[in-house]
Amino acid sequence: EIVLTQSPATLSLSPGERATLSCRPSQSVSSYLAWYQQKPGQAPRLLIYDASNRATGIPARFSGSGSGTDFTLTISSLEPEDFAVYYCQQRSNWPLTFGPGTKVEIK
Amino acid sequence: EVQLLESGGGLVQPGGSLRLSCAASRFTFSSYGMSWVRQAPGKGLEWVSTISGSGGNTYYADSVKGRFTISGDNSKNILYLQMNSLRVEDTAVYYCAKVWGNTWYFDLWGRGTLVTVSS
Repeated sequence: EIVLTQSPATLSLSPGERATLSCRPSQSVSSYLAWYQQKPGQAPRLLIYDASNRATGIPARFSGSGSGTDFTLTISSLEPEDFAVYYCQQRSNWPLTFGPGTKVEIK
Repeated sequence: EVQLLESGGGLVQPGGSLRLSCAASRFTFSSYGMSWVRQAPGKGLEWVSTISGSGGNTYYADSVKGRFTISGDNSKNILYLQMNSLRVEDTAVYYCAKVWGNTWYFDLWGRGTLVTVSS
């Protein structure tokens, strides 16, 4: 099973600041990694697929990069609605696995 | 509007069974893989099971293999998760999710249904 490690666990930032989230798989997943956003009481929403492609309707302030065992989700300038929990997910190998999440909170 | 709606959650005793349903609206159910993903209270996401669009392939997390069965009724556009031999650690919100194309990512999620396993 591929284990995904996300860091930091919590990121405390102010609106307008840049957020940088990390996801590190225990073995290479090539570019087969996605990022999701989840707000309290809501289902997750797909943001980024295959490491760097924005899903339909996702604002340009969200970007993804990386390959292999080192991935980054960047939010260029935090909007109030961006404070949420972010999960990475790999599809390289079964079982599909998610990371434990990074909570982006208002400082 | 394209949507998924889960039902069937509730309180069940350890060792009991429950069947979850997920009704899909406004898309051709049989054209896509479908999955169940769960989230224990206050915890992260855990993939549970996936069925391919053709229904010919099913995949399970080790934690549920042999106890849970995923299936679909293409004529009714409904996805099921039969859960047997339930354990306390199966307590979670269970989300139905549509697989996006051939990617095994999830681009459409339901609102979830809560399963509580407790005596």
